[in-house]
Amino acid sequence: KNEVEQSPQNLTAQEGEFITINCSYSVGISALHWLQQHPGGGIVSLFMLSSGKKKHGRLIATINIQEKHSSLHITASHPRDSAVYICAVREGGSQGNLIFGKGTKLSVKP
Amino acid sequence: NAGVTQTPKFQVLKTGQSMTLQCAQDMNHNSMYWYRQDPGMGLRLIYYSASEGTTDKGEVPNGYNVSRLNKREFSLRLESAAPSQTSVYFCASSWDRGNQPQHFGDGTRLSIL
Repeated sequence: KNEVEQSPQNLTAQEGEFITINCSYSVGISALHWLQQHPGGGIVSLFMLSSGKKKHGRLIATINIQEKHSSLHITASHPRDSAVYICAVREGGSQGNLIFGKGTKLSVKP
Repeated sequence: NAGVTQTPKFQVLKTGQSMTLQCAQDMNHNSMYWYRQDPGMGLRLIYYSASEGTTDKGEVPNGYNVSRLNKREFSLRLESAAPSQTSVYFCASSWDRGNQPQHFGDGTRLSIL
């Protein structure tokens, strides 16, 4: 079974800082997802990627398949970015189940 | 847009009681999922339904049953609740079982006393 490790577990930043959250996994995958869990508990899918890089607004996700590693970057962070960011990988081909990391709790101070 | 709707949002049960968590999606998705989220752990898959009429076990199915009532609805039943089932339960749906983003409900916080 894939082991999905996220770092750091907790992150506190000042508004405007550039933020990086890391995700590593142990076994080859068909896709990697980044999700955001709001303080109220709701979960939203941010990115799904299998190679390269994707960008949406101030969020950038990259993946290095050879190194089994992905990063989520937030540029010009804002207090509304405060949330838990979750990495999940799909193993066993495109029909496999998602394996989730424990999440990184981000707090952005004004 | 409602997306994925879960009911109830909160529930307290006594050990041994039964209950059903309801989930409905209005996105015409084929696949639906039930996850549980426990402190210090990642989301874990309980059961999933790849398409209407099919259900399969996930990582932690013991103590649960599911029903895919129709394309929209996927319910999770606890027949005899145990304190170990205290958790936050999330329902999700996706277009199919392939590499598609999953859309999550707001969760049900369940406490078993």
